Amino acid sequence: AQKVTQAQTEISVVEKEDVTLDCVYETRDTTYYLFWYKQPPSGELVFLIRRNSFDEQNEISGRYSWNFQKSTSSFNFTITASQVVDSAVYFCALGGRIGKLIFGQGTTLQVKP
Amino acid sequence: DAMVIQNPRYQVTQFGKPVTLSCSQTLNHNVMYWYQQKSSQAPKLLFHYYDKDFNNEADTPDNFQSRRPNTSFCFLDIRSPGLGDAAMYLCATSRGGLASAITDTQYFGPGTRLTVL
Repeated sequence: AQKVTQAQTEISVVEKEDVTLDCVYETRDTTYYLFWYKQPPSGELVFLIRRNSFDEQNEISGRYSWNFQKSTSSFNFTITASQVVDSAVYFCALGGRIGKLIFGQGTTLQVKP
Repeated sequence: DAMVIQNPRYQVTQFGKPVTLSCSQTLNHNVMYWYQQKSSQAPKLLFHYYDKDFNNEADTPDNFQSRRPNTSFCFLDIRSPGLGDAAMYLCATSRGGLASAITDTQYFGPGTRLTVL
């Protein structure tokens, strides 16, 4: 079975703090993709990153960074120097068969000024 | 520039009154998806079109139907909305292709929030 677990339901930080959102996945496929999406209060799901199972290099994009560890089936997302505009629900997802996305339950991040 | 457009953004309907939500895309993607998202939950896939081929999820109620008249447009029809159908409905697209069936990035529209009175 394929499954994504985001154990943190809600996280609250103060602006400029660093924050890490955890994501653990389960799959028997040897080739798969992992995704992170951001959903601000407006409701649109915004694509952040896609990572394939053969590339375990960490990725950094501005204040965002992602740590993929196949050995622990984790794909964690870190925001450095958080800002109020980062407040949103963040979803981790596993690219399943036939293009289906298996979503985690989401982590609500609140960044306070 | 908007790539996946959903209209309307907010829709109010009455219990049992049919309603249609629309989605259009400028990406020329082969695949279009409809998701239902209820409060504090992850999006749930209802069905998707791979080009003209319709693929229904096993647990999608018969009350939900979809049409894709051309590459750019896709509609979600709710034949007899119940109170439990109140949700955000998200449309998404992906490039599609045999070799990329599990790899494509899905791009989402802004969603239509449906209220059922």
